[in-house]
Amino acid sequence: GNSVTQMEGPVTLSEEAFLTINCTYTATGYPSLFWYVQYPGEGLQLLLKATKADDKGSNKGFEATYRKETTSFHLEKGSVQVSDSAVYFCALRTNTGNQFYFGTGTSLTVIP
Amino acid sequence: NAGVTQTPKFQVLKTGQSMTLQCAQDMNHNSMYWYRQDPGMGLRLIYYSASEGTTDKGEVPNGYNVSRLNKREFSLRLESAAPSQTSVYFCASSWDFNEKLFFGSGTQLSVL
Repeated sequence: GNSVTQMEGPVTLSEEAFLTINCTYTATGYPSLFWYVQYPGEGLQLLLKATKADDKGSNKGFEATYRKETTSFHLEKGSVQVSDSAVYFCALRTNTGNQFYFGTGTSLTVIP
Repeated sequence: NAGVTQTPKFQVLKTGQSMTLQCAQDMNHNSMYWYRQDPGMGLRLIYYSASEGTTDKGEVPNGYNVSRLNKREFSLRLESAAPSQTSVYFCASSWDFNEKLFFGSGTQLSVL
């Protein structure tokens, strides 16, 4: 079946630290991969996406590379800010049936 | 630009009570969705409406009904609330079915 597994949280980092949030997936066919972010009191919003193997999605200093060989889509940022404190969701969309599957979310807190 | 608006933001019900969660989008999107988010689990699709006039079951439809009132509005009804329906509910919309999703800020529902 289709599923997304994210690293457990919560994650607490100091400002300017390096961030990695791991995400692996199981899917039939060739899915598209996404990271959504939920800031406090708001709905989820798309952070970045990649639609095929070896694609790199990037936005606001965040990056993730679609690795088909390791079925992974890890989220990285070189230097986090307090304003990056949020919950991050990894998701895939199948290319058959066209359905989204979300991970459990990883809460990130960045302290000054 | 309001985006996706959900009401109410918080609700407490007693077992057996009924209620309707309202969702409206002002982006002229064709597709709308209801998800629930539970601790330790990813977002799960309850119902969706791929286009105005159609609704379909998602992964966890039992105990819920939906109405696509018009292109803007998509409501979720709990006819007889159960404690297992305690959750955070998110409405989302997109231009076309399962393209980039735009989320509301969520409704936190507790059923006692």
